[in-house]
Amino acid sequence: DAGVIQSPRHEVTEMGQEVTLRCKPISGHNSLFWYRQTMMRGLELLIYFNNNVPIDDSGMPEDRFSAKMPNASFSTLKIQPSEPRDSAVYFCAVQGRNYGYTFGSGTRLTVV
Amino acid sequence: SQELEQSPQSLIVQEGKNLTINCTSSKTLYGLYWYKQKYGEGLIFLMMLQKGGEEKSHEKITAKLDEKKQQSSLHITASQPSHAGIYLCGAPTNAGGTSYGKLTFGQGTILTVHP
Repeated sequence: DAGVIQSPRHEVTEMGQEVTLRCKPISGHNSLFWYRQTMMRGLELLIYFNNNVPIDDSGMPEDRFSAKMPNASFSTLKIQPSEPRDSAVYFCAVQGRNYGYTFGSGTRLTVV
Repeated sequence: SQELEQSPQSLIVQEGKNLTINCTSSKTLYGLYWYKQKYGEGLIFLMMLQKGGEEKSHEKITAKLDEKKQQSSLHITASQPSHAGIYLCGAPTNAGGTSYGKLTFGQGTILTVHP
C-alpha cells in the first residue's frame, strides 16, 4: 500500500501556461477528492469523484479548472491558463469506509 | 454551507503543559475528524468521532464530540515538541455522516511546543 501519490511535488510555471497535477490513489477506495490549501482560505474542496464519476464540482473556481478520473488508479487536475492567484498547495485524498481521508503529500504550485 | 471555527488560531506552550483546541460548527455535526499537518506535508489522520458524547484517545491525545454544542475538543496531555504542527478539524457536510462524502475543514490551529 503506497498511499496516495501526487506528482509533481513542486511546480513553478509562468502565468498563462497549462498546469497538470496528477494523483495515483490507493487501490480499493471509491472516492477521490481534490483540495486546495492557501493561507487565506484554508482547505477548500474543489471536486470529488465516486467510482470515477464526478459527484460535486461546485468548488472548482472557474472554467480554467478541470479534473478527470479516467480509471480508479489515476486522476488529474488541470489549470489552463494558470494565473498567479492559483498558487497554492493542491492535495488529492481518498476516503475509505469507517475511517478518514488519506491525503497525498500535495503539489505546491507557484504561478509567476 | 457549514463552517467550522477553530480556537485558538495559534498556541505556544512549554513542553509538558496540557492544552486544548476547540472546533465549533455552524450546523449539526454528523461526525468529526481530527488531522495533523506538518508544514509542507499532507494531513495525517488522528481520530474520527461518530456519535455525540464519543471520546477517543491515542497516546497523549484525546478528542471528544459534543453534538448538542456542535463542538469537538482535542486535548493533548504533557505536550512534547513532536506534537507541534497544524491541527485541523473536518466534518461531513451531509447526514450520511462519516461513511461517505466530502468534508469541510476548519482553518487550523498552529501549535508550537517549546522544549
